[in-house]
Amino acid sequence: DGGITQSPKYLFRKEGQNVTLSCEQNLNHDAMYWYRQDPGQGLRLIYYSQIVNDFQKGDIAEGYSVSREKKESFPLTVTSAQKNPTAFYLCASSRFSAEPQHFGDGTRLSIL
Amino acid sequence: AQKITQTQPGMFVQEKEAVTLDCTYDTSDQSYGLFWYKQPSSGEMIFLIYQGSYDEQNATEGRYSLNFQKARKSANLVISASQLGDSAMYFCAMRGGIQGAQKLVFGQGTRLTINP
Repeated sequence: DGGITQSPKYLFRKEGQNVTLSCEQNLNHDAMYWYRQDPGQGLRLIYYSQIVNDFQKGDIAEGYSVSREKKESFPLTVTSAQKNPTAFYLCASSRFSAEPQHFGDGTRLSIL
Repeated sequence: AQKITQTQPGMFVQEKEAVTLDCTYDTSDQSYGLFWYKQPSSGEMIFLIYQGSYDEQNATEGRYSLNFQKARKSANLVISASQLGDSAMYFCAMRGGIQGAQKLVFGQGTRLTINP
């Protein structure tokens, strides 16, 4: 079955540590996105990528980094510079940027 | 800047009744798209329905329809014959014009509870 796989489902970060969230899709979609969701809130865009080896900052990119070395993969690194990383992180993809985005099941990140 | 407003934090509806979830938007773009997503307690976001700004007819997908009133900048979601499985958070989102084509702006969401 085609879809978007995010791992891990739950992640814990220690102070000063970088952590990487995985996002893989087998839908042959060109565009991929990372969103952050805080409790009781809507989603906010962190980074997005339209093609391999290219990505752009969203509205809340500070403290995060991404790479897009393969069409299928768009990992997100939460760096130690992100002082409030506790949130639900959702990855999405679309066939091209104007199409509806399809989402993974999310990763819940907490601070130890 | 684009903005989505969902004014109903929570809605309680009896099973089999129809329900309307409100969404108003603000944009200066002539071309834009409006989306509704459902988020169950498990967390995934499920795409429900899409309306383009130039679409003359209201979008429909099964039990979901979108009441699009362009002059009032509203895009309300109507769920007919509600079911217990419809209980979830519902988010309205907008994709902007050419420059904002890659970005979805989300509202705060409405928590819908269907009572048996």
